[in-house]
Amino acid sequence: AQSVTQLGSHVSVSEGALVLLRCNYSSSVPPYLFWYVQYPNQGLQLLLKYTSAATLVKGINGFEAEFKKSETSFHLTKPSAHMSDAAEYFCAVGRNSGGSNYKLTFGKGTLLTVNP
Amino acid sequence: EAGVTQSPTHLIKTRGQQATLRCSPISGHTSVYWYQQALGLGLQFLLWYDEGEERNRGNFPPRFSGRQFPNYSSELNVNALELEDSALYLCASSHDGTDTQYFGPGTRLTVL
Repeated sequence: AQSVTQLGSHVSVSEGALVLLRCNYSSSVPPYLFWYVQYPNQGLQLLLKYTSAATLVKGINGFEAEFKKSETSFHLTKPSAHMSDAAEYFCAVGRNSGGSNYKLTFGKGTLLTVNP
Repeated sequence: EAGVTQSPTHLIKTRGQQATLRCSPISGHTSVYWYQQALGLGLQFLLWYDEGEERNRGNFPPRFSGRQFPNYSSELNVNALELEDSALYLCASSHDGTDTQYFGPGTRLTVL
């Protein structure tokens, strides 16, 4: 079984400050890992994904994440927060034991607030 | 390239009625997934369709069902609606069951 834990349901940063959103996963097979962002009253937008290539993954809007197998982590970072980054962020793990990505298991989400 | 589309945007039903939600995948994608995002429960996997067949379902009762059409669009049906079915229903599509899932804007279902 796969699971995802996002530490901190709410993170607040100042504009221009570092953004760090934490994600730890559990998977019995090499995982595919994803970060999605959800703006109010919208669907999910893919930020970035890890699928067993480079461990440092760069995504859209200046976000990046590093896969650390030893720590079972996939934390999301951005060097300088922008007001437009305010949204809810979801970490997800895919790839079941058969290799298929059919089912994504999501964390409970982290709401990012950016203060001026 | 057009993204995943869903209709309607909002749907209001009363308890006991049936709801039908629709999803059109990205062109070239054969897999469609349905997720429920209910308040306090997070995002939960509902159903996966690929090439017209139901491939897997999550831990939901049989009154949640659906189908995939020859053009790969999909329909989610929820029968005998209950108050706790109120949620945002998200559809996603991918090239097949191994590829990245791209999400639509969702259908907000409210059961009164």
